Amino acid sequence: DAGITQSPRYKITETGRQVTLMCHQTWSHSYMFWYRQDLGHGLRLIYYSAAADITDKGEVPDGYVVSRSKTENFPLTLESATRSQTSVYFCASHRMGELFFGEGSRLTVL
Amino acid sequence: SQQGEEDPQALSIQEGENATMNCSYKTSINNLQWYRQNSGRGLVHLILIRSNEREKHSGRLRVTLDTSKKSSSLLITASRAADTASYFCATDAGSSNTGKLIFGQGTTLQVKP
Repeated sequence: DAGITQSPRYKITETGRQVTLMCHQTWSHSYMFWYRQDLGHGLRLIYYSAAADITDKGEVPDGYVVSRSKTENFPLTLESATRSQTSVYFCASHRMGELFFGEGSRLTVL
Repeated sequence: SQQGEEDPQALSIQEGENATMNCSYKTSINNLQWYRQNSGRGLVHLILIRSNEREKHSGRLRVTLDTSKKSSSLLITASRAADTASYFCATDAGSSNTGKLIFGQGTTLQVKP
């Protein structure tokens, strides 16, 4: 089915490890986004990308790295995971003002 | 920083009743959107209202926008148990056409059968 696919859906890791969350869209939407969702904070923008090879920081970018070599993929990497990065991560793409979200990746950092 | 703040944080009603959720925001906008999130799922777009619109309908949904008060409301009429979800408002904070949205913390709606 067309849409946004995130993987893994669930991940448990340890402090200090590198983790990459994958995001793939079957459309060719230019803009893609990574949000994190935490109780008490709602959704906060981590990074976004306007096109392949164009990325920019959002509200909470520290500790995260993104890349976008192809329009359809937008991976998010936690280079050295910390407990504060335990969260649910959502990838989204944009078309005509509307965001299309994936089902989320629930990450637990022990 | 939060652009949209929803009120109430939680709402519990009986099936058939109407549910009203409110959203306030801080800066000027081009449009305001409402999203729905079922438990454990991603957000789904419900409706978008532009800054020059005052009211918009979609099925059982009615959205109003008051730019002078920087507020919006979402009304769900004749609610159903399947409407149980969290509802979020989101604004573009003036940066239209990029999809860069700022979300509120959401209203959790429970509709009892």
